[in-house]
Amino acid sequence: DIQMTQSPSSLSASVGDRVTITCRASQSISNYLNWYQQKPGKAPKVLIYAASSLQSGVPSRFRGSGSETDFTLTINNVQPEDFATYFCQQSSRRPLTFGGGTKVEIK
Amino acid sequence: QLQLQESGPGLVKPSETLSLTCTVSGGSISSSRYYWGWLRQPPGKGLEWIASIYHTGSTYHNPSLESRITMSVDTSKNQFSVKLSSVTAADTAVYYCARHFRDGATVTTGINWFDFWGQGTLVTVSS
Repeated sequence: DIQMTQSPSSLSASVGDRVTITCRASQSISNYLNWYQQKPGKAPKVLIYAASSLQSGVPSRFRGSGSETDFTLTINNVQPEDFATYFCQQSSRRPLTFGGGTKVEIK
Repeated sequence: QLQLQESGPGLVKPSETLSLTCTVSGGSISSSRYYWGWLRQPPGKGLEWIASIYHTGSTYHNPSLESRITMSVDTSKNQFSVKLSSVTAADTAVYYCARHFRDGATVTTGINWFDFWGQGTLVTVSS
């Protein structure tokens, strides 16, 4: 299985900050990488697909980048509604696997 | 607007079979662009993909669960279902159904993602 490792596992940020979350794949996955946001008690919501494509309706302050094994999710000008847990997911090879998550908390 | 709703027992005894159904509304389960998937999340933990099914019945499973999974689809009811046999406490989780968008031939390689999700249903395995 392809292992997805996210860092950090949690972070604190203030409204208006820039937040960066990284995701590393245990082998090359090209650009087959998706990012999801999950709020407590809710289902995940896709933000970014194919490493850098913004899902329809998602604010442009979310940006995805990277390829092969190293990927980044950047949130510019963090807003109160962005405090949540973020997961990466590879779609390169079965089984589809997720990272362990990064919890973004209010400082 | 597309909506997915999971249904099924919230409590299952060890060694028995967990059965869940997802009802899709606001869109057709027979659309050619989508598979339909099941995922789960143990309390306080990460996400695990279980399997995805096409309206024709073509299915992709997570190999770690494959021997215990049965997927089915009922296009007349716009529903798809999963059965997981021989459950243990390790199968306790919130189970989600989701639409699995594909940009290629399959949903296990290439550009694909889960774009609409149900609200999730907690299934507890306990005697």
